[in-house]
Amino acid sequence: GAVVSQHPSWVICKSGTSVKIECRSLDFQATTMFWYRQFPKQSLMLMATSNEGSKATYEQGVEKDKFLINHASLTLSTLTVTSAHPEDSSFYICSARLQARNYPYEQYFGPGTRLTVT
Amino acid sequence: SQKIEQNSEALNIQEGKTATLTCNYTNYSPAYLQWYRQDPGRGPVFLLLIRENEKEKRKERLKVTFDTTLKQSLFHITASQPADSATYLCALDNPNTGGFKTIFGAGTRLFVKA
Repeated sequence: GAVVSQHPSWVICKSGTSVKIECRSLDFQATTMFWYRQFPKQSLMLMATSNEGSKATYEQGVEKDKFLINHASLTLSTLTVTSAHPEDSSFYICSARLQARNYPYEQYFGPGTRLTVT
Repeated sequence: SQKIEQNSEALNIQEGKTATLTCNYTNYSPAYLQWYRQDPGRGPVFLLLIRENEKEKRKERLKVTFDTTLKQSLFHITASQPADSATYLCALDNPNTGGFKTIFGAGTRLFVKA
């Protein structure tokens, strides 16, 4: 159980275009999902917290107009990279929290999306 | 500022030996600590969670210790196998950060040689 999927697994796009990445919780409902980005040999950096039915909360330094997040249902969150540039090339990973019967909450990650902007 | 430190150098060990990875943190009082495994080009996979009032946690060949005085966690893999080769991430979560944010270390790469 507790499977999170991401689509696409990799994408190449031209500079200036927009790319949408989907994150789905397959066998549970997730009121909260998280979006991370990871550069090679570096740790995961939290970009934003996605809350179902409300606006996402962005971390300091993350442009909310550039990284649009929509959490339309309890099983789907999307990240849209608008007007992508080569410096946006990275590995984007989403996660969803499983609210276990007992605190604390476990976090399950998607397989990641490799974005390359040319 | 809050920091999580994991040994950035790769750990190379022989199959069958015990691998021990270290996670140190500063300026932080986590309620619990987690360990994840990450394979190249993949998302992290949750392994173990240990609470601040637990000294040790075990799961099959994995053992985690948590010393809140030393601000350190040790992650052990006994009878290591080549399939254990991966990057292991330490993560801390503090519910007082509002939103239950998780902070990750950069990870330690483990290579198990047959």
